[in-house]
Amino acid sequence: DTGVSQDPRHKITKRGQNVTFRCDPISEHNRLYWYRQTLGQGPEFLTYFQNEAQLEKSRLLSDRFSAERPKGSFSTLEIQRTEQGDSAMYLCASSLASGAGNYGYTFGSGTRLTVV
Amino acid sequence: LAKTTQPISMDSYEGQEVNITCSHNNIATNDYITWYQQFPSQGPRFIIQGYKTKVTNEVASLFIPADRKSSTLSLPRVSLSDTAVYYCLVGDFGGSQGNLIFGKGTKLSVKP
Repeated sequence: DTGVSQDPRHKITKRGQNVTFRCDPISEHNRLYWYRQTLGQGPEFLTYFQNEAQLEKSRLLSDRFSAERPKGSFSTLEIQRTEQGDSAMYLCASSLASGAGNYGYTFGSGTRLTVV
Repeated sequence: LAKTTQPISMDSYEGQEVNITCSHNNIATNDYITWYQQFPSQGPRFIIQGYKTKVTNEVASLFIPADRKSSTLSLPRVSLSDTAVYYCLVGDFGGSQGNLIFGKGTKLSVKP
C-alpha cells in the first residue's frame, strides 16, 4: 500500500467553475476525512466518512461543497461555483476506527486549488 | 473542546535536542494527545501519540505530566530535515472529528 493518494495535485480554475477532487485512502482504513488548509494555518476539518456513511460535516462546509464515498473506498470532494476564497490546499486523510482506543490519521499530499 | 496553545516558532541548531510544549488546560478524560509534522506542500505526518506519562518511538518522545494539562514533544539531535511545522492535536478520535482542532502549529527552523 502506497498510502493516501490524492488527485490532482494542483488545480487552477476560473471563478464560477466546478471542480472535483479524488482521494484514495489506505485500503484497510474505514474512515476517510477531508480537511482544508490555507497558508499559515493548520488544517481545518470539513467532513468525514465511516465506510460509505458521511457521519459529520463542519459548519465550514457550505452547500457548494459536497463529498461522496460511494462504495466505502475512494472519495470525491466537489466544489460548485468556485470562489476565490476557496483557494486552499484540500487534504484527505484516512484512519482505522477499531473502537479500541485512539488512532491517528494518515494524510495524503493534498490538492492545491487556485481560483482565478 | 480542548484548545491548545503552542509557540508560533522555534529555532535550533543541528545536533541539539528540541522540546516543543503544548498547553491544553481543558483536556477531557477521553482525550489523547497526538503530534504531527508537516513539510511545505505535503500533508501532516503522524509522529507520536500518548495519553499519559511518557511515550517513545524511533523518532520522538512525548512527555505528559500527571495532570495532562500540557505535553512536550522531544526531538533528539535534530537535523536540517526536521525543519517543519509541528502540530499538537488533542481530542477523542472516537468522538466528534470537528472537535479535533489543529491550531497554527509551531514552525521549527533548524540551522547548520
